[in-house]
Parts: sequence; C-alpha cells; structure tokens
Amino acid sequence: GENVEQHPSTLSVQEGDSAVIKCTYSDSASNYFPWYKQELGKRPQLIIDIRSNVGEKKDQRIAVTLNKTAKHFSLHITETQPEDSAVYFCAAPRDNDMRFGAGTRLTVKP
Amino acid sequence: DAGVIQSPRHEVTEMGQEVTLRCKPISGHNSLFWYRQTMMRGLELLIYFNNNVPIDDSGMPEDRFSAKMPNASFSTLKIQPSEPRDSAVYFCASSFQGGIQGAFFGQGTRLTVV
Repeated sequence: GENVEQHPSTLSVQEGDSAVIKCTYSDSASNYFPWYKQELGKRPQLIIDIRSNVGEKKDQRIAVTLNKTAKHFSLHITETQPEDSAVYFCAAPRDNDMRFGAGTRLTVKP
Repeated sequence: DAGVIQSPRHEVTEMGQEVTLRCKPISGHNSLFWYRQTMMRGLELLIYFNNNVPIDDSGMPEDRFSAKMPNASFSTLKIQPSEPRDSAVYFCASSFQGGIQGAFFGQGTRLTVV
C-alpha cells in the first residue's frame, strides 16, 4: 500500500496565525488526496480533499495544494482558531488502500 | 443514513478472552476498512474489503486477529485470544470506491484488555 510521510508531527501556533502541514507520497499513480481532522476523543473526519487534476482547492479557512511533480500536498489553515486544535491526517490512497500519515498534532494557543 | 455504526463503544475484557468488534458500513459503500489507533503507532490499517472480499490483510498484527465481511452491511473483527497489548481504539470506516472517495469513520470501539 501507499505510504505517506507527514510533517511536522507537532505544530503550535498563535491564534490568528497560519498553519501548514505537508505530506509526501511515492506512488505517482495516486490521484486522490484527502485530509482528516481528529479532535480529542472523536473519530477522524474528512475535512477537505483534492484530486490530481487540480492544483489547489479552498474551503473557507482551509485549503489544500498539490504538487504532482514533486509528489507532495499540503494543508493550509489560515486565521487559526482554538477549535482548529486537533490531530490532522493525510492519505494518498492507491486503488482501495487507504493508509494514513503519522498525523500532525496542531495546537492553537489563544 | 446513520453513518458507520460500530459496537460496542467500549469493551473491557480479561486477557485470553475472545473479543468481537462489529461494524455496519454506510449503505451503498463498497469498501470497508478496519483501523487500530494507539498513541505509539498512530492510525494503522489492519485490513480492508472491497465488495465484501478481503483485499489486503497485511496490517493484521498476528494470527490472533481475524476479520470477516459476510455481506455488504456487516463486518466483524475478532481477537482470540486477547492480550493487554491489544488495548486500543478500533475504528471501522467505509467508502464508495475506496481510494477515490473519502472514507467515513464509525465512532470507534475502545478496547481494554486487562
């Protein structure tokens, strides 16, 4: 299955600042890249995804960018708020194999 | 649709006992995934099914673990015999067409083996 490397493992930002999390994958055939958010004690939930035919997708304060040549994609959160504090996971599934990165624990300090 | 439904939500069992975790995927989804989550190992994919057929069980840690999907609306993950190191949160997730659509997770089963 596809392995993705996710960085950083932890990220602490001040409320209002931006946060960026990056994932790198190895299989050039991957064409779908989802991001999940997991709040403490809750299930992971899909927050945004991108397909390989576009380079960027936005949804309010979150955006995902994709660089297929370099095989990496990133999650961008602008104007961070305390409720953005969570663990974020990326995936680069190939066929039906949905394996996740190691996760990034984001802390937004008020 | 109520989403992916897992049962039980919490399970406490003694070492050596058999544990069965259950999952009902979202109706119409044809891919089902079982994950294990721990602080040390993160979110691990144990096994996944496509159209009720196990595709890859390379993530199953040992022969003590087994999973079945007898029909499109039900799957089980069994641990026999259970050990304290199996303590974790087990998630089931389902999706339509697996890796080209997002997966939706159940609420998880928190397993404690004492």
